[in-house]
Amino acid sequence: EAGVTQFPSHSVIEKGQTVTLRCDPISGHDNLYWYRRVMGKEIKFLLHFVKESKQDESGMPNNRFLAERTGGTYSTLKVQPAELEDSGVYFCASSQDRGRQEQFFGPGTRLTVL
Amino acid sequence: DAKTTQPTSMDCAEGRAANLPCNHSTISGNEYVYWYRQIHSQGPQYIIHGLKNNETNEMASLIITEDRKSSTLILPHATLRDTAVYYCIVSRSNDYKLSFGAGTTVTVRA
Repeated sequence: EAGVTQFPSHSVIEKGQTVTLRCDPISGHDNLYWYRRVMGKEIKFLLHFVKESKQDESGMPNNRFLAERTGGTYSTLKVQPAELEDSGVYFCASSQDRGRQEQFFGPGTRLTVL
Repeated sequence: DAKTTQPTSMDCAEGRAANLPCNHSTISGNEYVYWYRQIHSQGPQYIIHGLKNNETNEMASLIITEDRKSSTLILPHATLRDTAVYYCIVSRSNDYKLSFGAGTTVTVRA
């Protein structure tokens, strides 16, 4: 069974540009989560999808971040325009059910904003 | 969610058991203890979780004290590949957010 995949693995962009990160969850997992670790900080929750619906986006830092999950399959996280402080590693995770289930994480996308 | 306290780092000899402590003195009755780890350049990986009873799986054992205020993750035979940052997370059963703290950096030495 394929795990959670993320694309790209690395992205280097200039401040002010737009970047879109993609996450493909494990097939059949309705729950999809985005987390990120910015430099020197702890891994923080960003948002949670159940199928195509956003259940909780309380961790999204500001309106420059837009997450979508059309059709309840893969998800994208767009940063527009990117700022220097957005640099970090963005992780996607999925789970079959919410709550007392393990979350399966992807390898992450390392974003560098210059 | 209850806060957890873990040592910043610890070393372990290859082949020996690694015992990772975690304090969660404010844990509530409906909160579980989860352990995840992050090996360098990879995403976090689930290890084990428990409520009040000790748990064991193919990766590790979780020992929770009777008052549930602390727990210990045991890696029975540490290998070099177990070198990672280990996170102890306390979360309600219906919660989905994982709150990663700083974790314990475990270095397994040959």
